[in-house]
Amino acid sequence: SQQGEEDPQALSIQEGENATMNCSYKTSINNLQWYRQNSGRGLVHLILIRSNEREKHSGRLRVTLDTSKKSSSLLITASRAADTASYFCATDVKGSYGKLTFGQGTILTVHP
Amino acid sequence: DAGVTQSPTHLIKTRGQQVTLRCSPKSGHDTVSWYQQALGQGPQFIFQYYEEEERQRGNFPDRFSGHQFPNYSSELNVNALLLGDSALYLCASSWGPETQYFGPGTRLLVL
Repeated sequence: SQQGEEDPQALSIQEGENATMNCSYKTSINNLQWYRQNSGRGLVHLILIRSNEREKHSGRLRVTLDTSKKSSSLLITASRAADTASYFCATDVKGSYGKLTFGQGTILTVHP
Repeated sequence: DAGVTQSPTHLIKTRGQQVTLRCSPKSGHDTVSWYQQALGQGPQFIFQYYEEEERQRGNFPDRFSGHQFPNYSSELNVNALLLGDSALYLCASSWGPETQYFGPGTRLLVL
């Protein structure tokens, strides 16, 4: 079964709006990573948050991590049409040493 | 600085055949991981190589095997191909267990 589960499965917004995606997982982690994938191509790494961190920022991205609830969220502010893609969370489970477990992803569509 | 490269980009095989996919890691990276991504799904971990040894393995049958060379490049071999092996195969490299950088993938179609 999937370690990470993203919610929602699909999100459609207008350019300039914010997009929030959530990820839940089941077991203790070393870190949680978010990736973007355009049209079935390779994954682009967005941000890594460690288990002892609660929030990280990178440009228009903000990631939070709540280890007590085993959940994370990715916020994209002031979205652009170019942000249209699938977004995946991936967990590096404790003891796995870099074996990433992915959820099924959120498909984000940003309309110009 | 070249990122992770994979070859070939696309491949068509028939059931029962064997396939070899190749990956060159990002410069300075010593760890290579392979993932399988079926259409509409998230990537699934196949295995990871470090210092030319398989360090970890996911829930894939022995038909899936790999190799890492002294220059850290890697191959993924799949024997006795099944229709269900049709997928995007992704290679990722990293320095140890840190951030993994993915290549563009090889799309395999088994007929």
